[in-house]
Amino acid sequence: GAVVSQHPSRVICKSGTSVKIECRSLDFQATTMFWYRQFPKQSLMLMATSNEGSKATYEQGVEKDKFLINHASLTLSTLTVTSAHPEDSSFYICSAFRQVSDTQYFGPGTRLTVL
Amino acid sequence: QKEVEQNSGPLSVPEGAIASLNCTYSDRGSQSFFWYRQYSGKSPELIMSIYSNGDKEDGRFTAQLNKASQYVSLLIRDSQPSDSATYLCAVHNTNAGKSTFGDGTTLTVKP
Repeated sequence: GAVVSQHPSRVICKSGTSVKIECRSLDFQATTMFWYRQFPKQSLMLMATSNEGSKATYEQGVEKDKFLINHASLTLSTLTVTSAHPEDSSFYICSAFRQVSDTQYFGPGTRLTVL
Repeated sequence: QKEVEQNSGPLSVPEGAIASLNCTYSDRGSQSFFWYRQYSGKSPELIMSIYSNGDKEDGRFTAQLNKASQYVSLLIRDSQPSDSATYLCAVHNTNAGKSTFGDGTTLTVKP
């Protein structure tokens, strides 16, 4: 299967700081990437769809000014959590969409803890 | 009604048994279907994809698709404790460019 990396895998930060998470598609070009959030024992929640060269599309209830997404190349999307608060602590997972097979390949996830 | 429905479980089977996971979907325009496995604390991992009606086998896993009934299933033969995880069903409508995930079924395989 395809390989998608995420960095960092784990981050602990103070309340009020910003955190950037990188998602890279290592072996195919991804016009579209997705960002999810998952709280313990809950389902994946789609936050936004990241499209290369255009603005991200955010799901209802997700603040676009708080969760900044940049898809600068066909292999890299970044999610920046701005002015993080403890309630933003969660498991953030990206996926890269492989168009030829309609398949999403997930990164390993980033566990964010905001103190 | 959710667009992709799965029994939340937990589904418990003894080691060596067949585990049957079911999924129904509402979008008749869906063309691609996937099963992902997610271990606790980890991200989802693709285990099967199926695009046409019928069965598709890969090792101990068999995916079954019935588009007329809007139903897709995953059978796990000779279940092992290492198969204990949450299994996510996903469907994709190519024309709409939209993927939808179910909430997952938690499977426990007891030694």
